[in-house]
Amino acid sequence: GQQVMQIPQYQHVQEGEDFTTYCNSSTTLSNIQWYKQRPGGHPVFLIQLVKSGEVKKQKRLTFQFGEAKKNSSLHITATQTTDVGTYFCAGPRTGNQFYFGTGTSLTVIP
Amino acid sequence: SQTIHQWPATLVQPVGSPLSLECTVEGTSNPNLYWYRQAAGRGLQLLFYSVGIGQISSEVPQNLSASRPQDRQFILSSKKLLLSDSGFYLCAWSETGRGEQYFGPGTRLTVT
Repeated sequence: GQQVMQIPQYQHVQEGEDFTTYCNSSTTLSNIQWYKQRPGGHPVFLIQLVKSGEVKKQKRLTFQFGEAKKNSSLHITATQTTDVGTYFCAGPRTGNQFYFGTGTSLTVIP
Repeated sequence: SQTIHQWPATLVQPVGSPLSLECTVEGTSNPNLYWYRQAAGRGLQLLFYSVGIGQISSEVPQNLSASRPQDRQFILSSKKLLLSDSGFYLCAWSETGRGEQYFGPGTRLTVT
């Protein structure tokens, strides 16, 4: 069945370093979403990508959707301690349901 | 604006006891509603979703059930809790035709 895999599972970076998490699907996705979950909190919607090759930016965050619409990435430039949390991608399945990726847990060392 | 409420925030229940978690959404009509479970340090597992009153689709039936008695109310229940039911339970909503989901604050359930 369809799966959405994320790598890496964990990432520790020094504050100021860049960070990237990758999301890969076994099938073509009509769209992909990204969420952030702070420690102890709930997932918060960040962005949705729809078009092949789409790139969107939110301040230091850059989101990309692959040309084949099977993969996506989230890149954070010059990480800050406020970036700590787990980042999930989510791809649609049937109807209004979504597959959530396994998540990448980001630790930022001050 | 839309808001989503979940309660209780934390719950400690003995094995074999019943469970009822409630979720309500304000500021929208006919939302899609979801129940997820998240084990510690893990991803999100979809348990149930609903596109309307009385319409429930189950992903992981096990010993859990869900009901939607009103348009903006979603309830997760169990008759007898198992140790493996411990986790972080999240309710979410989305608009029909739109993908992004908005999550409630969650309920941390510990079954002892």
